[in-house]
Amino acid sequence: DADVTQTPRNRITKTGKRIMLECSQTKGHDRMYWYRQDPGLGLRLIYYSFDVKDINKGEISDGYSVSRQAQAKFSLSLESAIPNQTALYFCATSDNLVGTGELFFGEGSRLTVL
Amino acid sequence: SQQGEEDPQALSIQEGENATMNCSYKTSINNLQWYRQNSGRGLVHLILIRSNEREKHSGRLRVTLDTSKKSSSLLITASRAADTASYFCATSGSARQLTFGSGTQLTVLP
Repeated sequence: DADVTQTPRNRITKTGKRIMLECSQTKGHDRMYWYRQDPGLGLRLIYYSFDVKDINKGEISDGYSVSRQAQAKFSLSLESAIPNQTALYFCATSDNLVGTGELFFGEGSRLTVL
Repeated sequence: SQQGEEDPQALSIQEGENATMNCSYKTSINNLQWYRQNSGRGLVHLILIRSNEREKHSGRLRVTLDTSKKSSSLLITASRAADTASYFCATSGSARQLTFGSGTQLTVLP
C-alpha cells in the first residue's frame, strides 16, 4: 500500500459544486501539505499543517479550505468549484527535520471543473 | 511566485549521454532539493543539498550548489530511457515550506 494515499484519483465536477479531496498517510509524519500543479507552472502550495492544531495558508489558498482530522488525515475542500481550479492536486508529508526536509508525495488527484 | 526556475524547460538527449539541468533561485536558502516526476504521477525526492554544501552525489546523480550565484545544477550521467521525466528543484528558506520551480522535461531517446 502507498504511504500517502489520495482519493479520489480523478474527479469531474461542475461549476459551483463542493468538492473534497482526501489524503491519508501511514508514514507517521506530523507535517502535511496540499499542492496544486498546472502545466508550465510547477507546484504551488495551497495549505500546510505542521500538526493537528496548526494550519497555515500557502501561496494560493483563496477558494480552498482544509481540515486536519488527525495526524494521518488532511483533506482539501473547494467550497464552490470554478473552472480555473481544474488542476492536478498533490498531498505530501514530511517529518520534523529542522528546516524543511524531504517531501513524500501521493499519486495526485486530477480535478476537472466544467 | 516561483522561487526556483529551471533551465532548460525541455531537454532531449540520446541514451548514454549526460543530462544537465540548472536551477536558479532568488532568496537565501537552507537547502535545495531535486525531485523527479514521471508523467501524471507523484513527485519523488532525488537528492537534498544543504546551503553549506557545494556538491553531492547519489548514484548517477551529481548536484552542485553555488550560493553566491543562487544556482544549482543536476547532472544525470549515462542517461537511460527510463530517466525520461520532469525534474523539479525546490528550495527551503526562512518560510516553513518548500517552493518549487516550473521544471525541466527530460526526454531520453533510445
